Amino acid sequence: DQQVKQNSPSLSVQEGRISILNCDYTNSMFDYFLWYKKYPAEGPTFLISISSIKDKNEDGRFTVFLNKSAKHLSLHIVPSQPGDSAVYFCSGGSNYKLTFGKGTLLTVNP
Amino acid sequence: EAGVAQSPRYKIIEKRQSVAFWCNPISGHATLYWYQQILGQGPKLLIQFQNNGVVDDSQLPKDRFSAERLKGVDSTLKIQPAKLEDSAVYLCASSLATGTNEKLFFGSGTQLSVL
Repeated sequence: DQQVKQNSPSLSVQEGRISILNCDYTNSMFDYFLWYKKYPAEGPTFLISISSIKDKNEDGRFTVFLNKSAKHLSLHIVPSQPGDSAVYFCSGGSNYKLTFGKGTLLTVNP
Repeated sequence: EAGVAQSPRYKIIEKRQSVAFWCNPISGHATLYWYQQILGQGPKLLIQFQNNGVVDDSQLPKDRFSAERLKGVDSTLKIQPAKLEDSAVYLCASSLATGTNEKLFFGSGTQLSVL
């Protein structure tokens, strides 16, 4: 049972444009959601989070939106930069435990 | 602040052999996790420790995998005997586990290849 789904394995955007990464979840018990970024041969690093009681959280170029009724969240990166090219993992959290999606490979072309 | 340390970075073994991974979490982090990431998949939780007690090991294949966290600090994960399907990156993570939206800090992982 895949509790967190990232249905787009990859996404390619031009530098300066917006990147939108999507995530769906099935577990209503998640209290919070975190996005992680992963470069090759490195561990995932925390990017941005959102509580289940919020619908938006913004941090610089990164904004996460949560639609609880649709069990859907999205990560917006504006403007996208070549250094943003990485695998992005969506995760749902409860009891200090994270459940991850399969990830989306973002490629930002110069 | 030092991050989560893991060793070795890479390990190649033959099936039916045994292997062990080591993790040193961020100082002061009470909670430690071991995740398995198979190529093309997201990290999957194997075991979660709170100090030196096990909180969740429901997805740990206990017939071959074992883990311990002595004195609530360092941890080792062992596989004995290894199978081909154990080839993956094994990630250790730690967290303070004191607030909401609690983020995990990951190490660089150990890439295991079972031949």
